[in-house]
Amino acid sequence: AQTVTQSQPEMSVQEAETVTLSCTYDTSESDYYLFWYKQPPSRQMILVIRQEAYKQQNATENRFSVNFQKAAKSFSLKISDSQLGDAAMYFCAYLVEEGGSEKLVFGKGTKLTVNP
Amino acid sequence: DTGVSQDPRHKITKRGQNVTFRCDPISEHNRLYWYRQTLGQGPEFLTYFQNEAQLEKSRLLSDRFSAERPKGSFSTLEIQRTEQGDSAMYLCASSPNTGHSKTEAFFGQGTRLTVV
Repeated sequence: AQTVTQSQPEMSVQEAETVTLSCTYDTSESDYYLFWYKQPPSRQMILVIRQEAYKQQNATENRFSVNFQKAAKSFSLKISDSQLGDAAMYFCAYLVEEGGSEKLVFGKGTKLTVNP
Repeated sequence: DTGVSQDPRHKITKRGQNVTFRCDPISEHNRLYWYRQTLGQGPEFLTYFQNEAQLEKSRLLSDRFSAERPKGSFSTLEIQRTEQGDSAMYLCASSPNTGHSKTEAFFGQGTRLTVV
């Protein structure tokens, strides 16, 4: 079964600095999708960035980028020029597609604090 | 379109009572998911609908849980004979079925259930 591991329960960063959140996963598939979702306090989860495994180029979305290491099954998120609004829980997720169904498997999350 | 809507936002119920939650997905999204999130954990998959068909149910979904999506529009999640262990945030998400967008799930703000 696919699993997702986030080894950092909490991280903190100074405003305007860069922070990297770690994620590893386990799968026997060769093609799959990985995601980082952000969940601000008392607000809905929103997609931050998506990576397709067959694409070797790391995905980027403005200040957010990933370091996708397929062989190592690692998918870290880098946030550059951190802003106070980046403070949230961040979840790494793997999309499981099988038997006509699909679902996201999430890690336990990393709580990011941004210090002014 | 205002996104995925869930009702109620909060529910406090006595143990043994039945509760029902509603989710209105983004219009024309044919895929709908329910997840459960407990404190300090990532969301866990409960069930998946494609249009009105329930294609997968997690083992987490005991016989006390039932979900429906009549006519492929809104969905309801009912919990019968609630137990304290059912206390959690229940998240609904939807996604379209076109191109890359099919892999992005849009989440609602959730229904927080407290069983006392």
